[in-house]
Amino acid sequence: DGGITQSPKYLFRKEGQNVTLSCEQNLNHDAMYWYRQDPGQGLRLIYYSQIVNDFQKGDIAEGYSVSREKKESFPLTVTSAQKNPTAFYLCASSISLDRTNEQFFGPGTRLTVL
Amino acid sequence: GQQVMQIPQYQHVQEGEDFTTYCNSSTTLSNIQWYKQRPGGHPVFLIQLVKSGEVKKQKRLTFQFGEAKKNSSLHITATQTTDVGTYFCAGRDTGRRALTFGSGTRLQVQP
Repeated sequence: DGGITQSPKYLFRKEGQNVTLSCEQNLNHDAMYWYRQDPGQGLRLIYYSQIVNDFQKGDIAEGYSVSREKKESFPLTVTSAQKNPTAFYLCASSISLDRTNEQFFGPGTRLTVL
Repeated sequence: GQQVMQIPQYQHVQEGEDFTTYCNSSTTLSNIQWYKQRPGGHPVFLIQLVKSGEVKKQKRLTFQFGEAKKNSSLHITATQTTDVGTYFCAGRDTGRRALTFGSGTRLQVQP
C-alpha cells in the first residue's frame, strides 16, 4: 500500500533478543518515520529521518535504533533494552519533513516478544 | 511537550446517526491532518487543514480547524458501516518538525 512495504507482518522473538524490522519505500520520499501503536492508543513517534544518513529521536526512542543508509530504506532495531517491545510498529514516509505533506503508511509489523 | 488529545475515545452509533470527534492541542498548530485506520489496517490520510477557521468537506465528512488553531473536529453525517475505524488527528506546532498524533477515536457503527 502506498509504495511502502514492511516485513514480516507478524514477528515473534524471545525476550532479550534484538530484532530488526524492515521498511522500504519506492515513492522517492525524503522523510521516513517509525511509530509504535499499542492497543487503544495513538501513534507514538520513535525515530524520524529527513534525509539519508540523518535521523532524529522521537518521543519514545529509548531501546530503539535506526539507520538510513539508503533513501528507500529505514530499518528499525528493537533492542533488548526496550522494556515492553510487544506492539504494532508502523513505518511511514512523506515527500519531505519541512513541508506540510501527508504521510503514507506501510501495513505494519506486529511484534510479539515472548 | 506538545500534547494532542482526542475525545471521545470510543463511540458506538446506529447507522444513519451523526458522529463527531474533537481534537485539542496544548499548543498552537501550524497545520492539522486527519487519518483513518480501519480495523487491522494502517492509517490512511484523509485531509489537511492549514488556515485558522478553515472548513473542508469530503462528501459526508466535514473537517474544521479552530480560530485559534488549537483545536479541530471531524463530523460525519449519516454514518454508514464503511465509516467504522479509528480516526486520528495529527498536528505540528511551530517548534516541532514532526507530527504529533492524537490518541484516536474509535467509531463503531451498528447496522
